[in-house]
Amino acid sequence: AQSVAQPEDQVNVAEGNPLTVKCTYSVSGNPYLFWYVQYPNRGLQFLLKYITGDNLVKGSYGFEAEFNKSQTSFHLKKPSALVSDSALYFCAVRDPYSGAGSYQLTFGKGTKLSVIP
Amino acid sequence: DAGITQSPRYKITETGRQVTLMCHQTWSHSYMFWYRQDLGHGLRLIYYSAAADITDKGEVPDGYVVSRSKTENFPLTLESATRSQTSVYFCASSEGQLGEKLFFGSGTQLSVL
Repeated sequence: AQSVAQPEDQVNVAEGNPLTVKCTYSVSGNPYLFWYVQYPNRGLQFLLKYITGDNLVKGSYGFEAEFNKSQTSFHLKKPSALVSDSALYFCAVRDPYSGAGSYQLTFGKGTKLSVIP
Repeated sequence: DAGITQSPRYKITETGRQVTLMCHQTWSHSYMFWYRQDLGHGLRLIYYSAAADITDKGEVPDGYVVSRSKTENFPLTLESATRSQTSVYFCASSEGQLGEKLFFGSGTQLSVL
């Protein structure tokens, strides 16, 4: 069964500093990985995804993520944090080789990012 | 407007009552999903649908019923609501390919008293 772990419930970072939100995953084969962001009282919005190819993927709002197969990680990063980046971030994984269940997208528990002015 | 809409936005009901949450998308996406969001659990999949008249269980299907008679609609019914079903419910849709992202509605906040 596929699973995702986000080891930090909350991450605090000063405005202008680099930020990292951690994610590790478990699937039987090669994963499809996603990051979503949720602002208060809103639905989730897609940030970026890794399907295949370059391990460093770039997404919306200056975010990027690095796929590391040996460490089964997909950490979200941004070089310089903004106060407006404060939100709840979710990592998600899909196992494309799991047959009928391939379309199930499993989410982590979320990490609350607070960017301090 | 194009997109995915959920209704109602907020709902308060009592234990034992039947409640239906509505979801409508205008993109003609093949796949639709229902998730619930709870503190400490993140998002958990309730049911999903690959096309009209095709539905399948997710991680937490007990106590819920879905139907999909038309591609654009995917209602979620709580047949006899329980307090443990108090949650925020999100509907989502995506195109048919596995690598495609999900588009989420704004959610329905349900309280069962």
